[in-house]
Amino acid sequence: DAGVIQSPRHEVTEMGQEVTLRCKPISGHNSLFWYRQTMMRGLELLIYFNNNVPIDDSGMPEDRFSAKMPNASFSTLKIQPSEPRDSAVYFCASSPPRATDTQYFGPGTRLTVL
Amino acid sequence: LAKTTQPISMDSYEGQEVNITCSHNNIATNDYITWYQQFPSQGPRFIIQGYKTKVTNEVASLFIPADRKSSTLSLPRVSLSDTAVYYCLVGDSGGSYIPTFGRGTSLIVHP
Repeated sequence: DAGVIQSPRHEVTEMGQEVTLRCKPISGHNSLFWYRQTMMRGLELLIYFNNNVPIDDSGMPEDRFSAKMPNASFSTLKIQPSEPRDSAVYFCASSPPRATDTQYFGPGTRLTVL
Repeated sequence: LAKTTQPISMDSYEGQEVNITCSHNNIATNDYITWYQQFPSQGPRFIIQGYKTKVTNEVASLFIPADRKSSTLSLPRVSLSDTAVYYCLVGDSGGSYIPTFGRGTSLIVHP
C-alpha cells in the first residue's frame, strides 16, 4: 500500500492567492482528517470526514478555508484568499472503520504564504 | 474526553532506556491509550495501543497500571534516531472520538 498521498509537498504562494491541497487516503479507510501544524499552536485538527461526509469542522479557522471529499479516494483543502499566517505544514490522515484513533498520516504539505 | 498530561521534553543518551509517563486521571471504561511518534519533517506515526497491563511490539512497550490513570511508554536502548515527539492519546477506540494530539513530549537523544 502506498500510504496516504499528499500533493504538493511544498507550496510557496503570495498573499491573496488561492491554494489547493490534495489528499488520497489509504484504500479501505473511511475516515479522513486534515491537520495543521505550526510551532506556535502544535498539531491542530481542522476537519474530519467519515464516509465522505464532514462530521466535525469546528477546527476550520474561518471562511477562507474549505474542504471537500467528493469520493472515498480524494479530498481537497482550499484556502482562498491565502494569508501569511496560514503558513504551516498541513497533514492529511486516514483511519480504518471504527478506529479513528489509529490514523495513518501523509507526508504533509509545507505551505509558505509570502 | 479524557485529558492527558505528559512532560514537555526529555533528554536521554544512546543506549539508555527511556520511559515517558502520561497521566489520564479521568479515563473512561471504554477508553484505550494510544501513542504516536513524530519525527522531524514527518507526520505522526502510530506506534502502540493498549487497554490494560502491558503491551509490547517491535518499537516499544506500554505499561498500564490497574487503575489505568496513567501509562508509561518505554523505549529500550534508544538511539539517535529515536529523537522525536511522542504523543499520548486517550479515547474510545470503537467510538467516533477525535484524537487530540496536544503538544506531546519532545525526546532528544544525545550521543
